[in-house]
Amino acid sequence: AQSVTQLGSHVSVSEGALVLLRCNYSSSVPPYLFWYVQYPNQGLQLLLKYTSAATLVKGINGFEAEFKKSETSFHLTKPSAHMSDAAEYFCAVSEKGGSEKLVFGKGTKLTVNP
Amino acid sequence: DADVTQTPRNRITKTGKRIMLECSQTKGHDRMYWYRQDPGLGLRLIYYSFDVKDINKGEISDGYSVSRQAQAKFSLSLESAIPNQTALYFCATSDWGEANEQFFGPGTRLTVL
Repeated sequence: AQSVTQLGSHVSVSEGALVLLRCNYSSSVPPYLFWYVQYPNQGLQLLLKYTSAATLVKGINGFEAEFKKSETSFHLTKPSAHMSDAAEYFCAVSEKGGSEKLVFGKGTKLTVNP
Repeated sequence: DADVTQTPRNRITKTGKRIMLECSQTKGHDRMYWYRQDPGLGLRLIYYSFDVKDINKGEISDGYSVSRQAQAKFSLSLESAIPNQTALYFCATSDWGEANEQFFGPGTRLTVL
């Protein structure tokens, strides 16, 4: 069974600082991995996804994530936080050749301080 | 206009009442999903449908039922609402193929008293 663990339910950074949101996955087969963002009072939208084409994936709004098979990780980073990055971020996994269902982590709420 | 719409956006109901949440999409996608979001628990899949004649249970289907009335419409029903079904409910859609993006509606906030 697939699962996702997001370390840290809340992360706080200063504007201009590095953003690092951690995600570890468990999957018995090669996974597809996703990061979604939820702004206040909105639905989720896709930031980026890993489908095995390249281990470093670039997404929207300056975010990127690196797939590390040896560490079963897919951490999300952004070099310089902006106030508009304040949101909740969800990591999700699905199985290659599987049912295309997403399994979500519990989310990390990012606060950006001025 | 939004691609994925949900009605109502907010609903307060009482224990034991039947309630239906509706989802419509204009993206032309075959796949549709219902999730619930609870603070600290992330999103959990309730039901999903890969076409009009295909309905599948998700992780937490007990107490819920669904109806896929057309390619564009997917409704979620709570037959007899209970307080622990108080949550934020999201509908999502995706196209065929592997690893496709899911597009989410704005959510329905349901409170069961």
